[in-house]
Amino acid sequence: DQQVKQNSPSLSVQEGRISILNCDYTNSMFDYFLWYKKYPAEGPTFLISISSIKDKNEDGRFTVFLNKSAKHLSLHIVPSQPGDSAVYFCAAKRSTSYGKLTFGQGTILTVHP
Amino acid sequence: DAMVIQNPRYQVTQFGKPVTLSCSQTLNHNVMYWYQQKSSQAPKLLFHYYDKDFNNEADTPDNFQSRRPNTSFCFLDIRSPGLGDAAMYLCATSSSGGTVVKNIQYFGAGTRLSVL
Repeated sequence: DQQVKQNSPSLSVQEGRISILNCDYTNSMFDYFLWYKKYPAEGPTFLISISSIKDKNEDGRFTVFLNKSAKHLSLHIVPSQPGDSAVYFCAAKRSTSYGKLTFGQGTILTVHP
Repeated sequence: DAMVIQNPRYQVTQFGKPVTLSCSQTLNHNVMYWYQQKSSQAPKLLFHYYDKDFNNEADTPDNFQSRRPNTSFCFLDIRSPGLGDAAMYLCATSSSGGTVVKNIQYFGAGTRLSVL
């Protein structure tokens, strides 16, 4: 039973355009959500997060939106750059827990110059 | 730079031959995690150490064991690797204190295990 799903295995975007990566979750106990980025031959690195008390969190070119009623979150990258090409993982946890991240399968983002 | 280091990066073992993967960290984090990631799948938590306390996930096979001799090091032992154990193994660390934001997990680059 996969509690966090990223239904798009890959996404291709032109440089300068918006990239939108989507993530759905099923466990209502999750109240903290994270996005990690992974380059080839490197480990995942933390990108941005959002608490369930918010519906939006912005950090530079990266914005995460949370729709609790739909159990859906999305990561927007504007404008997209070739260096953003990577695998993006959505993850969820309970804020009362120090650990136990549940990950999605990842979405491969390719930004073309 | 403070970091999480996994060795080796690539490991080839034979079916049934025990193998050990290692992880070290300079972040002085008290929690260390081991994840298994198979191709095109989500990383799956196997177990974690909270300080010296071992916490196993319910569905982690007994074939997988772990040791944490001190704060900096953690080992993943696969007692009898099967073909299905071929995967990327990721080590991560986090602090358990403070706000949730401080509980961000930091990952190593992983060890890719092949079983022949």
